[in-house]
Amino acid sequence: DQQVKQNSPSLSVQEGRISILNCDYTNSMFDYFLWYKKYPAEGPTFLISISSIKDKNEDGRFTVFLNKSAKHLSLHIVPSQPGDSAVYFCAAAESQTGANNLFFGTGTRLTVIP
Amino acid sequence: DSGVTQTPKHLITATGQRVTLRCSPRSGDLSVYWYQQSLDQGLQFLIQYYNGEERAKGNILERFSAQQFPDLHSELNLSSLELGDSALYFCASSNQDGAFFGQGTRLTVV
Repeated sequence: DQQVKQNSPSLSVQEGRISILNCDYTNSMFDYFLWYKKYPAEGPTFLISISSIKDKNEDGRFTVFLNKSAKHLSLHIVPSQPGDSAVYFCAAAESQTGANNLFFGTGTRLTVIP
Repeated sequence: DSGVTQTPKHLITATGQRVTLRCSPRSGDLSVYWYQQSLDQGLQFLIQYYNGEERAKGNILERFSAQQFPDLHSELNLSSLELGDSALYFCASSNQDGAFFGQGTRLTVV
């Protein structure tokens, strides 16, 4: 059973606009969440994370929002750039110290149109 | 460079054959994950090992098996290969900072 779900397999956004990627989870024990970015023929790379003690974490153009009651997190990219075109995976763990046991979503392919 | 090493980078083999993919995790990381990414598919979790023991199993076929050795490197064995097994296979290792992925092994079954 998929405990972390990314229901949108793809998303297209105009350059300069906001990209919003969504992720839902079912396990209420999840306490630490991460986003990974993957270019073709490369391994995913870490992008940003958030602990459940926060509802928002920002790093430059990337912001992750967490809504624990809805078991939902989202990644906002503002402004979107063509180089952001990639597959984005969200992941969850029961704690940061337990991040050695991550559950991944199946990914959302973002295309930023110049 | 994530610090996770996968070999070989590319592998071409015939149907019915058996191959072994190897992964060396980052120094000190105890967990190793294996993932499969077929064309236009997301990351499909196959299996996870933690300090030599199987921790979690995903959609791994019975023809596939894995193990983690005392030095923490891991091998994924794929047997009786079929055309549909052609994919990118990723290994990741993780610690409390999260997971770090290798560059992957591209397997082509012809």
